[in-house]
Amino acid sequence: EADIYQTPRYLVIGTGKKITLECSQTMGHDKMYWYQQDPGMELHLIHYSYGVNSTEKGDLSSESTVSRIRTEHFPLTLESARPSHTSQYLCASSEGKYGTSGTNEQFFGPGTRLTVL
Amino acid sequence: GDSVTQMEGPVTLSEEAFLTINCTYTATGYPSLFWYVQYPGEGLQLLLKATKADDKGSNKGFEATYRKETTSFHLEKGSVQVSDSAVYFCALTSARGGSYIPTFGRGTSLIVHP
Repeated sequence: EADIYQTPRYLVIGTGKKITLECSQTMGHDKMYWYQQDPGMELHLIHYSYGVNSTEKGDLSSESTVSRIRTEHFPLTLESARPSHTSQYLCASSEGKYGTSGTNEQFFGPGTRLTVL
Repeated sequence: GDSVTQMEGPVTLSEEAFLTINCTYTATGYPSLFWYVQYPGEGLQLLLKATKADDKGSNKGFEATYRKETTSFHLEKGSVQVSDSAVYFCALTSARGGSYIPTFGRGTSLIVHP
């Protein structure tokens, strides 16, 4: 069973607030990812990491930032939330270091549904 | 660049009907192919995968065959149940400069009526 956790599951917050979405995995995976999922269900990759101290921007431009200080932890931060940030955020992880096999599947957390008023 | 195209939904079926969700891809080299399923209120979970041409992935009655000649990975199930109602995503990973970052289709919603 996959062990990847996201907190909070739901968050309603006012414009201008700083927020951090937490993501942790206990599988020792090197690769971790953040996706934004729109109401039409399409997934947009916003950040990813190959391992500790590695962070990369994804295909969708995002005002969020991420850090990877520990293998198991990959938090996403919004310095100043806006209504346009309202969305579902999914965290995922997978085995394998940079340049290694792409045959490994991703394991997803349950998601954080963010609403910015 | 890499891309995945899957049929638009929603797909609406009666229980015990046959299901096909089409997926075609564009990628460099020899990608690995995946189907993920997302139930309401949850994250995605792997349904099945295939890592080389002519491989067939299968799980929970679902099947998909890696067809390199038609660049396709269509999902099929012989008899769907109400509990199969979910959103299905086709995905691939290929060596985009060594990164192996996945590319997802836009998802296909399946609704199964009793």
